[in-house]
Amino acid sequence: DTEVTQTPKHLVMGMTNKKSLKCEQHMGHRAMYWYKQKAKKPPELMFVYSYEKLSINESVPSRFSPECPNSSLLNLHLHALQPEDSALYLCASSGAGVYEQYFGPGTRLTVT
Amino acid sequence: QKEVEQDPGPLSVPEGAIVSLNCTYSNSAFQYFMWYRQYSRKGPELLMYTYSSGNKEDGRFTAQVDKSSKYISLFIRDSQPSDSATYLCAMSRLSSGNTGKLIFGQGTTLQVKP
Repeated sequence: DTEVTQTPKHLVMGMTNKKSLKCEQHMGHRAMYWYKQKAKKPPELMFVYSYEKLSINESVPSRFSPECPNSSLLNLHLHALQPEDSALYLCASSGAGVYEQYFGPGTRLTVT
Repeated sequence: QKEVEQDPGPLSVPEGAIVSLNCTYSNSAFQYFMWYRQYSRKGPELLMYTYSSGNKEDGRFTAQVDKSSKYISLFIRDSQPSDSATYLCAMSRLSSGNTGKLIFGQGTTLQVKP
């Protein structure tokens, strides 16, 4: 089973709100990723966790805060976002020693 | 110059046609090559994965990698309207920690007309 789940599917938040996106995988993968995707563009990498430790931060603004509570879960905490942060947020995972990544369905975020 | 170039299309073909989708790249360190299919407002779905040069076939899909030309292709045989989607190529170089950063092409939008 190559399934990555994400909740919620849709999220509308104001610029002063605090919200969290959640991602879960049960494939035993030890690397998990957050991507941001704007319309008609490829996904852009935001963060990478390897063995529950943050290994890559692609210079993402601090209003995005990732968290990896355990090897199956990945959260993205959102605070004081801007309208330009509206996008599809994708979670992905990959197994140790392999490079293909499996994506979740995404959370469509709208910041008002 | 982008590391990975992919014609965004759109590409429109009749049902049953053979579709050829291509990407070129500039970094010879890339060793892992992937094709993803993305339907509108959904997450990318991994279609094919290839390491180094060669061909790989899975049903109606064939992936080819030519490292000498820095060129990869995805062929879809007997295309169906359900194949209408955006196809993203992605590639990665060997890195420590088993977290290969994917470099994506821009994606090609394919429409298969009944």
